[in-house]
Amino acid sequence: NAGVTQTPKFRVLKTGQSMTLLCAQDMNHEYMYWYRQDPGMGLRLIHYSVGEGTTAKGEVPDGYNVSRLKKQNFLLGLESAAPSQTSVYFCASSYSGPPGTDFKEQYFGPGTRLTVT
Amino acid sequence: AQSVTQLDSHVSVSEGTPVLLRCNYSSSYSPSLFWYVQHPNKGLQLLLKYTSAATLVKGINGFEAEFKKSETSFHLTKPSAHMSDAAEYFCVVTDPYSSASKIIFGSGTRLSIRP
Repeated sequence: NAGVTQTPKFRVLKTGQSMTLLCAQDMNHEYMYWYRQDPGMGLRLIHYSVGEGTTAKGEVPDGYNVSRLKKQNFLLGLESAAPSQTSVYFCASSYSGPPGTDFKEQYFGPGTRLTVT
Repeated sequence: AQSVTQLDSHVSVSEGTPVLLRCNYSSSYSPSLFWYVQHPNKGLQLLLKYTSAATLVKGINGFEAEFKKSETSFHLTKPSAHMSDAAEYFCVVTDPYSSASKIIFGSGTRLSIRP
């Protein structure tokens, strides 16, 4: 199993450009997540999905959009990149189950380092 | 509301000495707690998890953590540090009955190992 993969690994954008980050998982997980990681701030949740065709906002959703057209893929889009979106982006996935059994142990991708100039 | 506090942003120990990374949490419910490790330029890897079974949890690479409800703590320990332990460590709290968004990460502790 490849686990969770992310493409691209690195990207440099100019302010105002758009791009899409792709996350794929082969573990048949229901839940998928997009985080950004900035120095000294841990991981902050951007958007998440609890199943194919569903998405929801996390802690810092502004400036980002997501789509989950297939269960195994979760796309993160930046419509008009800004320097404040310079960050490392991590995708994760996890199992789901009945309440009380959903421990939300997450499996992470290797990350995408994005620089917006 | 849930929250998690990692009490040290940076810990430095000598190789072969014990490691202690401190984590306090706040939760309205009986939480699930995790420690993840992130090596430089890598993704996060699960070290161990507490899910209301045994309060002393053993993880990979010789790490363990003890859930102390009275102290609302979940500190990570290792008896003898190895150079390969140098990494960033994250404490995470979730409520197993809540939505997928209620996963709270601590701000991280960077562990340095001196030769």
